[in-house]
Amino acid sequence: QQQVKQSPQSLIVQKGGIPIINCAYENTAFDYFPWYQQFPGKGPALLIAIRPDVSEKKEGRFTISFNKSAKQFSLHIMDSQPGDSATYFCAASKSGGGTSYGKLTFGQGTILTVHP
Amino acid sequence: SQTIHQWPATLVQPVGSPLSLECTVEGTSNPNLYWYRQAAGRGLQLLFYSVGIGQISSEVPQNLSASRPQDRQFILSSKKLLLSDSGFYLCAWSIRGRELFFGEGSRLTVL
Repeated sequence: QQQVKQSPQSLIVQKGGIPIINCAYENTAFDYFPWYQQFPGKGPALLIAIRPDVSEKKEGRFTISFNKSAKQFSLHIMDSQPGDSATYFCAASKSGGGTSYGKLTFGQGTILTVHP
Repeated sequence: SQTIHQWPATLVQPVGSPLSLECTVEGTSNPNLYWYRQAAGRGLQLLFYSVGIGQISSEVPQNLSASRPQDRQFILSSKKLLLSDSGFYLCAWSIRGRELFFGEGSRLTVL
């Protein structure tokens, strides 16, 4: 019930394309859904995050779509660029006190390649 | 501003040797601290997390241990490394909120 399932495992698009990465979760207690971007040899960095009270959030070329009833959320990258080539992770966490607070459950990652 | 330092960046160790990876956070106090392992450049596995000095929770049974001797210092250790301990180790911190800040990682190769 703690899993977050991410797909696809890898994705190749041409420059200007719109890659879409999907995640599904089971635990309805999750209430925070971030996406992280990781370049080779570096630590992941927060890209964008959403809470379940909104269905969409946009920051620059990155958009999260959230479907609470389906327990799914996705990342869209508009006008993708070669510099967007990286591994993307979705994640989820739930509020609540104690040591569980802030613990993220990560998806398995998607390796995105954007060709020039 | 807050920064996180992790070292060493790269480590090659023989099987059976000890390990010590260190992580320190600057610019904040009483952070939650985490150790993750990433195998084959993919998924992130939470190994340990700490909500305070001396408070360590282990997520998975393994050959590793963690300690938090100071508020902003988190150490990952092993007495005897196994081949399966090879991977990319990431330290991270958060302040009771949701955003997790990762270090640059330590790549461990056990031969």
